[in-house]
Amino acid sequence: QQPVQSPQAVILREGEDAVINCSSSKALYSVHWYRQKHGEAPVFLMILLKGGEQKGHEKISASFNEKKQQSSLYLTASQLSYSGTYFCGIGGSNYKLTFGKGTLLTVNP
Amino acid sequence: GAGVSQTPSNKVTEKGKYVELRCDPISGHTALYWYRQSLGQGPEFLIYFQGTGAADDSGLPNDRFFAVRPEGSVSTLKIQRTERGDSAVYLCASSPPGLAYNEQFFGPGTRLTVL
Repeated sequence: QQPVQSPQAVILREGEDAVINCSSSKALYSVHWYRQKHGEAPVFLMILLKGGEQKGHEKISASFNEKKQQSSLYLTASQLSYSGTYFCGIGGSNYKLTFGKGTLLTVNP
Repeated sequence: GAGVSQTPSNKVTEKGKYVELRCDPISGHTALYWYRQSLGQGPEFLIYFQGTGAADDSGLPNDRFFAVRPEGSVSTLKIQRTERGDSAVYLCASSPPGLAYNEQFFGPGTRLTVL
């Protein structure tokens, strides 16, 4: 089943922070986060594996709460280049990923 | 190095026609995936190859859709008797051998329009 992402859209000013949530109704083995700019391919951000792991990549980090079956993506001190649609993809016990509908992030000057 | 490439970038066809979409994965990547993305939606899984064989084709919507990867590298997604509802961006992704949770590298996609 498709994970639920919230919010659907968010508008920020450069330098502000944002949190994007991804919730699943089934057990999670892994959560993959991607960013897609309009007309381009999704670009990989990070993978989190079950175990409550938290990862970071510069000013973008994420957490994985296995018990709550959810993951959150944290963007701090946002930059113009962060604009795009963020997708979470949940992995089960196989290679298959099921993506959410995405969160459109717009960062304005 | 070269990323995942897909051809054509755009394909316009008429209802009822047959189309082939090609994916050239990153060299050495054994896993290959096809997804379909409609406007305002996330990528929807279609099929996954490990080597030459289709390990999971549970996402193919019906028997008009078929995909092959005869030599374990290039893959072709084939759609017969196209319908207007098939219009979407078809994305291909590949992963290196190893863990099931490897990063998937996406290609730029083929935008299919069925008139």
